[in-house]
Amino acid sequence: AQSVAQPEDQVNVAEGNPLTVKCTYSVSGNPYLFWYVQYPNRGLQFLLKYITGDNLVKGSYGFEAEFNKSQTSFHLKKPSALVSDSALYFCAVRDGAAGNKLTFGGGTRVLVKP
Amino acid sequence: EAGVAQSPRYKIIEKRQSVAFWCNPISGHATLYWYQQILGQGPKLLIQFQNNGVVDDSQLPKDRFSAERLKGVDSTLKIQPAKLEDSAVYLCASSTRMGGARGETQYFGPGTRLLVL
Repeated sequence: AQSVAQPEDQVNVAEGNPLTVKCTYSVSGNPYLFWYVQYPNRGLQFLLKYITGDNLVKGSYGFEAEFNKSQTSFHLKKPSALVSDSALYFCAVRDGAAGNKLTFGGGTRVLVKP
Repeated sequence: EAGVAQSPRYKIIEKRQSVAFWCNPISGHATLYWYQQILGQGPKLLIQFQNNGVVDDSQLPKDRFSAERLKGVDSTLKIQPAKLEDSAVYLCASSTRMGGARGETQYFGPGTRLLVL
């Protein structure tokens, strides 16, 4: 069965500092990995995804994520965080060997302080 | 391009009452999903439609939840009767491809926040 873990419930970072949100996954086939962001009272907004190819994926709003197969990780990063990046971030995985069901992690709340 | 539309945005009901949510996916999107997001958790898939057929409803509590997508466009999700533990945000999402396009992105609506008292 596919699963996703986001080990940190909350990440605090000062504005202008680098931001990292961690995600690890477990699948039996090839992983398809996604990051979404959720602002208060809003639905999930797509940030980026990894399907195949380059391990470093660039997405919206200056975010990027690095796929690491050996560590089964897909950490989300931003070189310089903004206060407006404060939100709830979800990592999700789809197992290439198990249909196209998307499984989400529990989410990580990011708080960027000015 | 218009996004996924959902209504109502908020709903408060008493336990044992019934409630229905509506979703209009992005135009041309063949696949539609309903998710339940309980506070503090990630979304959990309830049901997936491919056009007007059900692809996956393995996590739908069928004794009280039902969903339909009669013409392959709009969809409704119903709960009858509601329980306290059904309090959650119900998210609708859509994607373009037929089943099997595993790299396909799902686009989410704003959700319906349900409170069962």
